[in-house]
Amino acid sequence: AQTVTQSQPEMSVQEAETVTLSCTYDTSESDYYLFWYKQPPSRQMILVIRQEAYKQQNATENRFSVNFQKAAKSFSLKISDSQLGDAAMYFCAFNNDMRFGAGTRLTVKP
Amino acid sequence: ETGVTQTPRHLVMGMTNKKSLKCEQHLGHNAMYWYKQSAKKPLELMFVYSLEERVENNSVPSRFSPECPNSSHLFLHLHTLQPEDSALYLCASSPFGLAGDNEQFFGPGTRLTVL
Repeated sequence: AQTVTQSQPEMSVQEAETVTLSCTYDTSESDYYLFWYKQPPSRQMILVIRQEAYKQQNATENRFSVNFQKAAKSFSLKISDSQLGDAAMYFCAFNNDMRFGAGTRLTVKP
Repeated sequence: ETGVTQTPRHLVMGMTNKKSLKCEQHLGHNAMYWYKQSAKKPLELMFVYSLEERVENNSVPSRFSPECPNSSHLFLHLHTLQPEDSALYLCASSPFGLAGDNEQFFGPGTRLTVL
């Protein structure tokens, strides 16, 4: 079975600083997508960023970027210039069977 | 946040009750999903419908019964639930089904409590 592992249940970052959330996954497939989703408290889950496995270039969306290491099956999320609104649960997901990690709760300190 | 709606937002039911959760998507997507989100557990995919055809997760107990009458509506019928079924039930849609760039668009969820 394919698994998605987020080894950091909780993370904390100072406002305006940078934080990296880790995710590893297991698959025997070569073509897939990986996603990071954000679930703010009492609000709907939304997509933060996606990465296609065939693309070597790491995806970037404004302050959010990924470090995709296909051989190592690692897919970390970097949040730069952290803002109070970034506080949320963050989930890593693997698309072929929509398997999610357990999530990382990010706290942003003012 | 209005692309995928879910009703009711909160539901309390006894173990002998029968209730239904409703999901509606206004995005023109072809696939819809039910997820279960329990505290301290990964989000669990329960059911997928793609073009109104069901792709089922076989580990879901039969007390959960999905229904997809058209590509915009999805129901989850509940009967004789157990207290451990208490959770947040999330509905999602995507332009296409499993595989590929199937970004999920989530609803706000139904918080279910089984007494």
